[in-house]
Amino acid sequence: EPEVTQTPSHQVTQMGQEVILRCVPISNHLYFYWYRQILGQKVEFLVSFYNNEISEKSEIFDDQFSVERPDGSNFTLKIRSTKLEDSAMYFCASREVGATSYNEQFFGPGTRLTVL
Amino acid sequence: KQEVTQIPAALSVPEGENLVLNCSFTDSAIYNLQWFRQDPGKGLTSLLLIQSSQREQTSGRLNASLDKSSGRSTLYIAASQPGDSATYLCAPQGAQKLVFGQGTRLTINP
Repeated sequence: EPEVTQTPSHQVTQMGQEVILRCVPISNHLYFYWYRQILGQKVEFLVSFYNNEISEKSEIFDDQFSVERPDGSNFTLKIRSTKLEDSAMYFCASREVGATSYNEQFFGPGTRLTVL
Repeated sequence: KQEVTQIPAALSVPEGENLVLNCSFTDSAIYNLQWFRQDPGKGLTSLLLIQSSQREQTSGRLNASLDKSSGRSTLYIAASQPGDSATYLCAPQGAQKLVFGQGTRLTINP
């Protein structure tokens, strides 16, 4: 069964460093998402991406964050200068494009980011 | 702004019981609602998607209902098993994003 994959599973970085989290969405999906979950808190939406541009972003997704689809298979989230409060589990998700927004979002296993 | 509340926050029941998890949301302008399962430290496994035009959706021992006008959804689990122990999250979807509740932490005791 097709699945969303994410690498790395765990990333440890120093405050102020740049990190890139990688995702491979399901191959025929064209909507891509990043969410995050700080330990003990709700899963929060960060950004959605369609047709090579951001379609919606949350207030969390400030200038320190960027997303890119560098080739036909990968979808990345970059954090330019990490802060302690960026420590969280980051989930990638993808969805088919249909006539409506009724399609299910499928989630990857997550990347645990630890900022020291 | 969509707000999602799940009650109860935690539930512990003996194996074999039928149980109901509740989800309420403030904005009824949704396209669908997904229920997920999350094991500790793990990702999100989609259990059911119920479209805004549907009232119910079933998968095995799971049944989800949706009353969009009143902003409520329930997840019914029949004949619970210890392997059902996890956190269950509901997430209505607007135009793009899912908005998650805090979840119900379910423990099934053998």
